[in-house]
Amino acid sequence: KNEVEQSPQNLTAQEGEFITINCSYSVGISALHWLQQHPGGGIVSLFMLSSGKKKHGRLIATINIQEKHSSLHITASHPRDSAVYICAVRSGGSNYKLTFGKGTLLTVNP
Amino acid sequence: IAGITQAPTSQILAAGRRMTLRCTQDMRHNAMYWYRQDLGLGLRLIHYSNTAGTTGKGEVPDGYSVSRANTDDFPLTLASAVPSQTSVYFCATSKEGGETQYFGPGTRLLVL
Repeated sequence: KNEVEQSPQNLTAQEGEFITINCSYSVGISALHWLQQHPGGGIVSLFMLSSGKKKHGRLIATINIQEKHSSLHITASHPRDSAVYICAVRSGGSNYKLTFGKGTLLTVNP
Repeated sequence: IAGITQAPTSQILAAGRRMTLRCTQDMRHNAMYWYRQDLGLGLRLIHYSNTAGTTGKGEVPDGYSVSRANTDDFPLTLASAVPSQTSVYFCATSKEGGETQYFGPGTRLLVL
């Protein structure tokens, strides 16, 4: 069983909709990362968080350490948000090793 | 250059051949990483380096070696390529271990 589970695997939305992508993990962690991978393949880090909530533009990431769960929200979604969103966790034992989820493919239609 | 460069962009390689994937950064980050990305499996760490002169094994190190002679370069070598090493390889850096990682553009490798 993968230590990091994302849901849904695929998500299709209409422009303007509020999007939520979920990430659950089974081990104790020191931090959780959200990344975005565009169709061209490039990977960009969106957030790194260990508690609470972070916001950047239309993107919001939350984490509940007790429930071992994180969510990535996109408000007022736009076709340019179409990408694969990847959750990754850093376990407390190592600063260098991230365990990645398999990603959520988001398609936002105009 | 700005950021992280990887070379080659893509490569077709005969099984049994030796291949080095190059990664160069100009951000003076201490930590560097090599990942492979395979459909259905996500990103997996191959090797990492927390500073020049030191390296460590990741989740899937077998068949790969790395070196870190200086801060900027972190080459990944496949000593004798096998078809299961067909993948997209990403190099990444972070200022220090545990911090936000920045990814290179990737190298697509096909081993026949």
